[in-house]
Amino acid sequence: TQLLEQSPQFLSIQEGENLTVYCNSSSVFSSLQWYRQEPGEGPVLLVTVVTGGEVKKLKRLTFQFGDARKDSSLHITAAQPGDTGLYLCAGGTDTDKLIFGTGTRLQVFP
Amino acid sequence: KAGVTQTPRYLIKTRGQQVTLSCSPISGHRSVSWYQQTPGQGLQFLFEYFSETQRNKGNFPGRFSGRQFSNSRSEMNVSTLELGDSALYLCASSLEWLASHEQFFGPGTRLTVL
Repeated sequence: TQLLEQSPQFLSIQEGENLTVYCNSSSVFSSLQWYRQEPGEGPVLLVTVVTGGEVKKLKRLTFQFGDARKDSSLHITAAQPGDTGLYLCAGGTDTDKLIFGTGTRLQVFP
Repeated sequence: KAGVTQTPRYLIKTRGQQVTLSCSPISGHRSVSWYQQTPGQGLQFLFEYFSETQRNKGNFPGRFSGRQFSNSRSEMNVSTLELGDSALYLCASSLEWLASHEQFFGPGTRLTVL
């Protein structure tokens, strides 16, 4: 069974701080996606990475896919209250399933 | 373009009953996937339908079933409800099914089993 463990599980920070969320597995994934989910809504895709070592930037968010395609990280610079939400990584398997990580709940206080 | 819609948004049932949830994908999307989200287990894949055929299935008991219609709308059914079936059920649609394709999620149906 392929599992994706995210850390930390909870993160509570002040506006302006930097943070990194990790997504780790012992399995190789064909692709890695990051989603953000807000209360009462479904997850919304932030980014997809498909190449080992790939780095993508989306404004203050930086995503990295590990060289071996087993792990990923999400770094947020100067967090804002609007970044508050549940962050989910999701790995694409060789059977075309999407396996979601355990989730990181981020709270950014003004 | 309208997003993914799910009905109903909230549902309360009792143990032993059955329930049917509905999902209307984004126009033009042919793939519909269903997920169960709970605080303890997170977001787990139930099944995926593409062109009216179940293409992929997660590790859920046979009480969970689904189907897709010719207009790509999908329904999922849970029979003989158990307390542990209480969850947020999310539907997602995408143009084609590849794990790297963007999935667009609906707001979910919150099912409570008493």
